[in-house]
Amino acid sequence: SYVLTQPPSVSVAPGQTARITCGGNNIGSKSVHWYQQKPGQAPVLVVYDDSDRPSGIPERFSGSNSGNTATLTISRVEAGDEADYYCQVWDSSSDWVFGGGTKLTVL
Amino acid sequence: QVQLVQSGAEVKKPGASVKVSCKASGYTFTSYGISWVRQAPGQGLEWMGWISAYNGNTNYAQKLQGRVTMTTDTSTSTAYMELRSLRSDDTAVYYCARASKGSSFLDYWGQGTLVTVSS
Repeated sequence: SYVLTQPPSVSVAPGQTARITCGGNNIGSKSVHWYQQKPGQAPVLVVYDDSDRPSGIPERFSGSNSGNTATLTISRVEAGDEADYYCQVWDSSSDWVFGGGTKLTVL
Repeated sequence: QVQLVQSGAEVKKPGASVKVSCKASGYTFTSYGISWVRQAPGQGLEWMGWISAYNGNTNYAQKLQGRVTMTTDTSTSTAYMELRSLRSDDTAVYYCARASKGSSFLDYWGQGTLVTVSS
């Protein structure tokens, strides 16, 4: 089965840039999607197909994907960005696969 | 606007079954699939399965094969997820989500349904 690996936590000061990684075997050949989940709420799609943003998602959220690592980058981090972030891909042997999630803490 | 509205919280005993509904609005129901995702307390997201609202084709996570059934009612634009032989580790929030056309992301999510399995 296909496995996605995320760091459990990332901390960043307000106004700085947060980078959340998602590792997987040759993940660069797959489309990676990212979700934000705040406590008690449903996940929200923030980046799809590696680097596209749904309408309503700030330009501060961007994504990249190459080799064995995909990255979600949040520029000019705000307190309201504090949440859990999950990467997700579709794999022919495992179907929809989620990473374990990363808790973003804004210091 | 696209909305997915799920049924309310459930409390079940071990061995029982639960059926969660997900009513869609704001788009053509049969043009998209629905995935179900669950989240145990304090844990991450786990994909459970997918159903095509167009033709009813399903694809279930291997670990749930034999215990889960997903269906749709196109007359009411509602998707259903039934889980049988419930165990304590099935306690989770269950989400339905619309599966995009042409790609694999989940672009709209229901509000979630808490299912508690306890004797």
